[in-house]
Amino acid sequence: EDQVTQSPEALRLQEGESSSLNCSYTVSGLRGLFWYRQDPGKGPEFLFTLYSAGEEKEKERLKATLTKKESFLHITAPKPEDSATYLCAVQSVSGGYNKLIFGAGTRLAVHP
Amino acid sequence: NAGVTQTPKFQVLKTGQSMTLQCAQDMNHEYMSWYRQDPGMGLRLIHYSVGAGITDQGEVPNGYNVSRSTTEDFPLRLLSAAPSQTSVYFCASSYSFQSNQPQHFGDGTRLSIL
Repeated sequence: EDQVTQSPEALRLQEGESSSLNCSYTVSGLRGLFWYRQDPGKGPEFLFTLYSAGEEKEKERLKATLTKKESFLHITAPKPEDSATYLCAVQSVSGGYNKLIFGAGTRLAVHP
Repeated sequence: NAGVTQTPKFQVLKTGQSMTLQCAQDMNHEYMSWYRQDPGMGLRLIHYSVGAGITDQGEVPNGYNVSRSTTEDFPLRLLSAAPSQTSVYFCASSYSFQSNQPQHFGDGTRLSIL
């Protein structure tokens, strides 16, 4: 059964304190792995798509990486505005393009 | 640039009532879907559509109906509301079901069943 697990559930950082969020997955075959950001009361907002092991994508203070078993979202020198819930989702070969499997998310709080 | 629009934003229902959650997108996307989000759980797929007139079940379809008569609209119907359906519902769309293009989400409908 396809599965996505995110850790930690919650993370508190001081402004400027770099860290990483983890997304581990078990799927029959990976078509794509997606990272989303979700602010309170809002829908998920797309950040990155990763397709194959070794791939990396960057956007401002965020960098996403992918291995055969997990993905990391690295946050460098975070600011309070980076506070949000970060969601990871996978598209699998068995699930097809139609079905995204989501992790439960990591709630990130960045304090000044 | 509206994107994906969901209405209403909030709704309170009594057990047994029915209602329709509306979803519209203005990006001419083929693929549309409905998810529910519950505390401590990932978003779970309820129903999806790969084009007008074509719908299919997701992971948690029981108690919900959908139809897709136009490309733009994909309403979700609760047939007889139950407290277990208290959740936040998100509609999403993407360009094509035959790709791994990212899905774009609306801002959700927060539904409480008493």
